[in-house]
Amino acid sequence: KAGVTQTPRYLIKTRGQQVTLSCSPISGHRSVSWYQQTPGQGLQFLFEYFSETQRNKGNFPGRFSGRQFSNSRSEMNVSTLELGDSALYLCASSLAGSGYTFGSGTRLTVV
Amino acid sequence: AQRVTQPEKLLSVFKGAPVELKCNYSYSGSPELFWYVQYSRQRLQLLLRHISRESIKGFTADLNKGETSFHLKKPFAQEEDSAMYYCALIPRPQGGSEKLVFGKGTKLTVNP
Repeated sequence: KAGVTQTPRYLIKTRGQQVTLSCSPISGHRSVSWYQQTPGQGLQFLFEYFSETQRNKGNFPGRFSGRQFSNSRSEMNVSTLELGDSALYLCASSLAGSGYTFGSGTRLTVV
Repeated sequence: AQRVTQPEKLLSVFKGAPVELKCNYSYSGSPELFWYVQYSRQRLQLLLRHISRESIKGFTADLNKGETSFHLKKPFAQEEDSAMYYCALIPRPQGGSEKLVFGKGTKLTVNP
């Protein structure tokens, strides 16, 4: 079966712009989480969605937002981009306690 | 607060030698512990979880609640084990959330 799909794979944006990243979970998985991975901070939790509801949120500024659609697909949005937002953004999906399966990530570079 | 500590940023061993990747956690509840692995240019993938008590690719990990540790062990390392290893926990209970708290990772290199 298809894994977790994230689009786009790479993205270059300018400071001040906004960006939307997309994640398609494994079919049947209703839980989707997002993580930011950087060399300095490692893997940090952004948000978690279950059945279109945000179930948990990490310690990120309000510029970071997300949502989940009725088909479990999820998007995250970052507004007013800063240089420090450059990172690999990972999406993961889960089937109720089975452990998360991660996507390949979207590498965002802010210049 | 929940925290996962992997004290070794880098670990280098020779092929055939035993390997132990350390993981300590701080959490007052009953966490669920995991090891994730990321091979070069591949996605992060689940290696094992403490509740399943299984051995994957020869790796095992035992949860020691007294020492709050979840060290990953393999008796004979192989070159293909070279990768980045992350210890993580879900701080249960947390209202159904499965948010993972990750350690900073240990880069394992197995030399021929």
